Amino acid sequence: EPEVTQTPSHQVTQMGQEVILRCVPISNHLYFYWYRQILGQKVEFLVSFYNNEISEKSEIFDDQFSVERPDGSNFTLKIRSTKLEDSAMYFCASSTVNSNQPQHFGDGTRLSIL
Amino acid sequence: RKEVEQDPGPFNVPEGATVAFNCTYSNSASQSFFWYRQDCRKEPKLLMSVYSSGNEDGRFTAQLNRASQYISLLIRDSKLSDSATYLCVASNTGNQFYFGTGTSLTVIP
Repeated sequence: EPEVTQTPSHQVTQMGQEVILRCVPISNHLYFYWYRQILGQKVEFLVSFYNNEISEKSEIFDDQFSVERPDGSNFTLKIRSTKLEDSAMYFCASSTVNSNQPQHFGDGTRLSIL
Repeated sequence: RKEVEQDPGPFNVPEGATVAFNCTYSNSASQSFFWYRQDCRKEPKLLMSVYSSGNEDGRFTAQLNRASQYISLLIRDSKLSDSATYLCVASNTGNQFYFGTGTSLTVIP
């Protein structure tokens, strides 16, 4: 069964540094998403991406964050000048069409900011 | 106001029991609904979509009541492997998924 893959599985970064989280969505999917889950809290939407542009973003997704699809397969989340509170699990997801269809999640990147 | 609300539990039930989880959503414009399960420190995995007519997948039955903005999940004949956190999800006319905080289930031998 095709799956969403994310790298790295764990990223440890000093506060103030930039970090890039990588995702390879399922190949025939058209919509891509990033979510985060702070330990012990709920999964929170960050951003959705379609046709090479952001289609929706939450208030969490401020100027510190950016997304990119640099080639035909990768989908990246960049966090500039990381803060302690950015420590969380970051999940990438993809779906065939839009939010009427289930989203398939990668196994996440655990980001630890020191 | 939370978009999706769930009883966090925990629910501790013996093997073979039937257990039901409920969820309410605040946005009447929500269009699609799902149940996901999440094991500790793992990604959410789709359990089932929820349709207005109700739907069943083996031991799992999901119901949607749009008038009451209420979603339910029923698990029959609980197995040890059903132990997980169950996430209720509603999506709006855009592309956002709104997750509930999850309901924790432990099935006891």
